[in-house]
Formats: sequence, structure tokens, C-alpha cells
Amino acid sequence: QKEVEQNSGPLSVPEGAIASLNCTYSDRGSQSFFWYRQYSGKSPELIMSIYSNGDKEDGRFTAQLNKASQYVSLLIRDSQPSDSATYLCAVNMGGGAQKLVFGQGTRLTINP
Amino acid sequence: NAGVTQTPKFQVLKTGQSMTLQCAQDMNHNSMYWYRQDPGMGLRLIYYSASEGTTDKGEVPNGYNVSRLNKREFSLRLESAAPSQTSVYFCASSEGGENIQYFGAGTRLSVL
Repeated sequence: QKEVEQNSGPLSVPEGAIASLNCTYSDRGSQSFFWYRQYSGKSPELIMSIYSNGDKEDGRFTAQLNKASQYVSLLIRDSQPSDSATYLCAVNMGGGAQKLVFGQGTRLTINP
Repeated sequence: NAGVTQTPKFQVLKTGQSMTLQCAQDMNHNSMYWYRQDPGMGLRLIYYSASEGTTDKGEVPNGYNVSRLNKREFSLRLESAAPSQTSVYFCASSEGGENIQYFGAGTRLSVL
């Protein structure tokens, strides 16, 4: 069973601080990694994708990938109350089939 | 350009009733997916269709059937609904090797 693991939280961070979200995955053949944000009662929306080892920055968001450790993370700088949501890590597992495996999500709360 | 459209948004069924959830995308994507999301859990893949004319089982296919009607439409059918199928159902579509998936607004289904 190919797995993606996240700490379900809740993770509470003060406004203006850095929020750090972590994800591990089981399949070493995985090639594509995604972070989705899901507000309560809404559908997931893509905020970051990463395919190579290292960091990828987009505005206040930075995704970090370490394939050797099978670890992907998301950093949110200058956290805002509007960042309060559940963050889902998704991994495109190897083997040819274009399927994503999702973690259970980390619930993030930004406290004003 | 609506993206991925799901109908209905809400549905209440009695045990044993049947229904079909509809999904359509206007992004000319080849691949389409059905997920279910239960409280505190991530998204679990029910069925997917890599291209028009093909369908395949995901992680939790029991109790469901699907039809890829054409490139735009991918429907999910519950033949005899059970309380365990109470969930939020999301349809998604994607294109290309990166498998970036775009989600519909979801269908909230309760089976009594």
C-alpha cells in the first residue's frame, strides 16, 4: 500500500510567523508532489507543485523536497488568518498510472 | 470557463436507493477522477479514467460504478446506497504528465 503521511494537527501559529507543514511518502519512485489548500466546506485548490530536490518559492509559499529522505514540506511565511485551512499533501506515485495519493491533511490555524 | 462542474451539490438518500453523480469539465482534459472525503481523512480515489473510453478502479471502488460518457463527462453511480457511503464526493480532471488535478465543488451525500 503506497502511503502519504501528514501530521493531522491542528497546528496553531501566530499571525506573522512561519508555518511549517510536513509530509512523508512511501514510494521511492514518486516523481511529482503537490500541496493543496482546502478551506472548510470547499474543494481542494492547488497552491504548489514540486518535482526536483530542493526548494521552490512562490510568493509567501516555499515547497521543499528531499527524495532521499522521502520528505516534502511547505513553509508559509508571514502567516495570515486567511491561511487558516487544511493543507493536503499529494504524491504522484510511480508505476506509470497517473494517480495521486493524498495524505490525511494538516489543519492549520493562524491566530491574530 | 467553468472548470469542473458537479451536480447535484447536496443529496439525501435512503438506504437502498440509487443515484448518479454527474461531473463535466471544459478544460479538454484527458483524465478524470472520483474521490470521496470523510471527516479527518484525505481524499480517497474511487475510480479514475485515464482517457475517453477507459476506466479503472482506485482505492475504494466497492459499491460504485462509473461511466466515461465522452471526453467531458464522467459519472459516478451508487446502485444501492448504504450509510457507509455518506461522504463528500469530489470530481477532478487533469492533463499532462505532471498530473495537476483541478477539482469540482463537491457533492455532499447523506445516506439514511
